[in-house]
Amino acid sequence: ETGVTQTPRHLVMGMTNKKSLKCEQHLGHNAMYWYKQSAKKPLELMFVYNFKEQTENNSVPSRFSPECPNSSHLFLHLHTLQPEDSALYLCASSQQLAPAYEQYFGPGTRLTVT
Amino acid sequence: DAKTTQPTSMDCAEGRAANLPCNHSTISGNEYVYWYRQIHSQGPQYIIHGLKNNETNEMASLIITEDRKSSTLILPHATLRDTAVYYCIVRGYDTGTASKLTFGTGTRLQVTL
Repeated sequence: ETGVTQTPRHLVMGMTNKKSLKCEQHLGHNAMYWYKQSAKKPLELMFVYNFKEQTENNSVPSRFSPECPNSSHLFLHLHTLQPEDSALYLCASSQQLAPAYEQYFGPGTRLTVT
Repeated sequence: DAKTTQPTSMDCAEGRAANLPCNHSTISGNEYVYWYRQIHSQGPQYIIHGLKNNETNEMASLIITEDRKSSTLILPHATLRDTAVYYCIVRGYDTGTASKLTFGTGTRLQVTL
């Protein structure tokens, strides 16, 4: 599926680096999400945006900084990360926030913090 | 969100129907039943969802019991590419956030020749 794309697909960064993850959806959706999937743990919702406005921040550390310039693009800015932040970061989008509307996921960015 | 219970793993022969059960006995009236699957290290793939009625799309069928306490995902003709972890998720407004998809441990479906 190419409805939700994420770049880069793999990223290795040191703890002092600053990097950004990019997500783009081509589905005309209004809501976008960042999830984190650590090894052998369930998906964790990090942030939710609706019509470019952040509606949820699930107690995510400030070293993760999201940005949503428009309804089609979502960024996750990373700085001074820790090794335990190594995970698969997934972006998703849905037409609306309501439970009746399914979320479509991108392929994810595999992040390794060294 | 209501909790779900799924078998840890299942096997299915290629070409046969795969029937994946899910129990959600505490589901409330406005909660939807969703199914996703995830192939190792890839993003979850949406399959199907429903509220009360049975649903069918090009990928699968969803059968929800009349009391809504359980459901079954049916892949009509399983192929090797259907080997994945399948997640049954109940999603609604009850917890104060409508956005969350709470993934449990799912059912690991192995399709064999």
